[in-house]
Amino acid sequence: AAGVIQSPRHLIKEKRETATLKCYPIPRHDTVYWYQQGPGQDPQFLISFYEKMQSDKGSIPDRFSAQQFSDYHSELNMSSLELGDSALYFCASTFGGGGHSDTQYFGPGTRLTVL
Amino acid sequence: GESVGLHLPTLSVQEGDNSIINCAYSNSASDYFIWYKQESGKGPQFIIDIRSNMDKRQGQRVTVLLNKTVKHLSLQIAATQPGDSAVYFCAENGGYSTLTFGKGTMLLVSP
Repeated sequence: AAGVIQSPRHLIKEKRETATLKCYPIPRHDTVYWYQQGPGQDPQFLISFYEKMQSDKGSIPDRFSAQQFSDYHSELNMSSLELGDSALYFCASTFGGGGHSDTQYFGPGTRLTVL
Repeated sequence: GESVGLHLPTLSVQEGDNSIINCAYSNSASDYFIWYKQESGKGPQFIIDIRSNMDKRQGQRVTVLLNKTVKHLSLQIAATQPGDSAVYFCAENGGYSTLTFGKGTMLLVSP
């Protein structure tokens, strides 16, 4: 079965550079979530989209923005990168806006390293 | 115990033993809970879920128990195998669609 696809899988950037992470949800899923996971930490919710509209916002820095496109893929744009942005970034998808009990399926993640 | 920084609580078991991983959740409004397994460098993998109108749910070799009175969730893995070695996270929905993850527990299974 097709899973969530994330690209790139690894990304190395310098401080103050920008980065764009991409997420392709499971086919027919229309809801996407972004999470950040630091070393040894639990995933922290950043932002989510349903039907191309932002649905929820978590601890996403103002330097980050995201959007969902007509094909339901999503991009997380990160600017003025800081050392502390080094983390695993996961995308998860579900169908129907993510109701209270809709399982979120996670992608393999993008490992971002900021030097 | 609680995890601090890079130090996750760790449960070490022998292959074939039963494992129990515990999780305390904080939001009494949460009505949906999920256990995820995360192997090194990979994304969280869905294991089993439970709704708040249930107190027990069984899957293949796994059982989740929910005690809403004390806001406690546990994952039981029967006949633990080396392939079960991973970090396990519980997650709650807080009454909404976004997930709040608990601190992970590292399960180490030795042959």
